[in-house]
Amino acid sequence: DAEITQSPRHKITETGRQVTLACHQTWNHNNMFWYRQDLGHGLRLIHYSYGVQDTNKGEVSDGYSVSRSNTEDLPLTLESAASSQTSVYFCASSKSSNTGELFFGEGSRLTVL
Amino acid sequence: GNSVTQMEGPVTLSEEAFLTINCTYTATGYPSLFWYVQYPGEGLQLLLKATKADDKGSNKGFEATYRKETTSFHLEKGSVQVSDSAVYFCALYSPDTGNQFYFGTGTSLTVIP
Repeated sequence: DAEITQSPRHKITETGRQVTLACHQTWNHNNMFWYRQDLGHGLRLIHYSYGVQDTNKGEVSDGYSVSRSNTEDLPLTLESAASSQTSVYFCASSKSSNTGELFFGEGSRLTVL
Repeated sequence: GNSVTQMEGPVTLSEEAFLTINCTYTATGYPSLFWYVQYPGEGLQLLLKATKADDKGSNKGFEATYRKETTSFHLEKGSVQVSDSAVYFCALYSPDTGNQFYFGTGTSLTVIP
């Protein structure tokens, strides 16, 4: 079955370290998204991509970067982790058509000490 | 711009009670509307959707009707079960503003036996 997987599921790191969260989907979807989920804010869009070599900033992109070298993967990098980036991160993907349904990974819980 | 406002939680109900979670939206163009559900420790998954005015989405006993005149998409269930305990997100997708989704802040539901 097609799926979307994230790794690691849990990570603890220190302030200033670089961290990369992996996202891999086998749906062959062109569109991929990274969200963070925080209490009181719901889901906020960090970065998104509409295809290979395409990346775009979302509403809360400062301190994060992504790259899209193939269809299946959209890794999220925190260049220098900050305590404010402690959160649960969700990767999602969707088809390019107008059906609009998003498929989510199970999330990566990141703690920055 | 596009936005979604949903009912603040948390909501606690007894088993077999009637559930309503309010959702209103602001959008340009002709959006599709969704309810996603997040069970503890998991990613979001689609619960139901409606793609045009007056459409009713339904799944697992939940229903929501796309009301353009009141810009609403309220979620209802006639008799909730303990297994319905989860966080529910209302979301909007508008192809007129790119393939982006706009989420509400989520409503936590706890159903007690």
